[in-house]
Amino acid sequence: DAGVTQSPTHLIKTRGQQVTLRCSPKSGHDTVSWYQQALGQGPQFIFQYYEEEERQRGNFPDRFSGHQFPNYSSELNVNALLLGDSALYLCASSLATGRIYGYTFGSGTRLTVV
Amino acid sequence: EDKVVQSPLSLVVHEGDTVTLNCSYEVTNFRSLLWYKQEKKAPTFLFMLTSSGIEKKSGRLSSILDKKELFSILNITATQTGDSAVYLCAVATNAGKSTFGDGTTLTVKP
Repeated sequence: DAGVTQSPTHLIKTRGQQVTLRCSPKSGHDTVSWYQQALGQGPQFIFQYYEEEERQRGNFPDRFSGHQFPNYSSELNVNALLLGDSALYLCASSLATGRIYGYTFGSGTRLTVV
Repeated sequence: EDKVVQSPLSLVVHEGDTVTLNCSYEVTNFRSLLWYKQEKKAPTFLFMLTSSGIEKKSGRLSSILDKKELFSILNITATQTGDSAVYLCAVATNAGKSTFGDGTTLTVKP
């Protein structure tokens, strides 16, 4: 039973560029949430996707956008990268139905903006 | 705005010691409180608590929730070097969003 898969594992981008991160949820999960974790801090909620729609959004600018596909996989896009966007980006999947909200996390994508 | 505060921020103990990690929260539409262990990258699930006063236990780890006072504790007895990690507390709302604290970094020395 595959867990949550994220790609790539590491990424270096230049300020102003755009980046796309990918996530495949755990088998059977239908909800994907994205988190940004800066060094020494807890994960900060970016947004959550369910049924291919953004259901909730945290306090992140519109430069952060996402998508969920019919197979429940998801992408996180960040435009006009800033140095402050450097962080570990975690994808977490869960099952919306049945009201179970424990996440399964992927290993993350380490994004470095130079 | 939902808020989760963990204390202490860091802790250094020796093998065999018992530690207590704290988590207090202020959220609307509370659903559950979750504890995770983060060693390298992916946080791994430890406990989910929904009811006050009922202790959840797994080996040397245990946790309890107080919904009246809005806090939870995570206890680790007979600590081992493998327990060294960041322990994250998160609170999930009825809408499904989870708000995390900044974690407690536990270092267990031999």
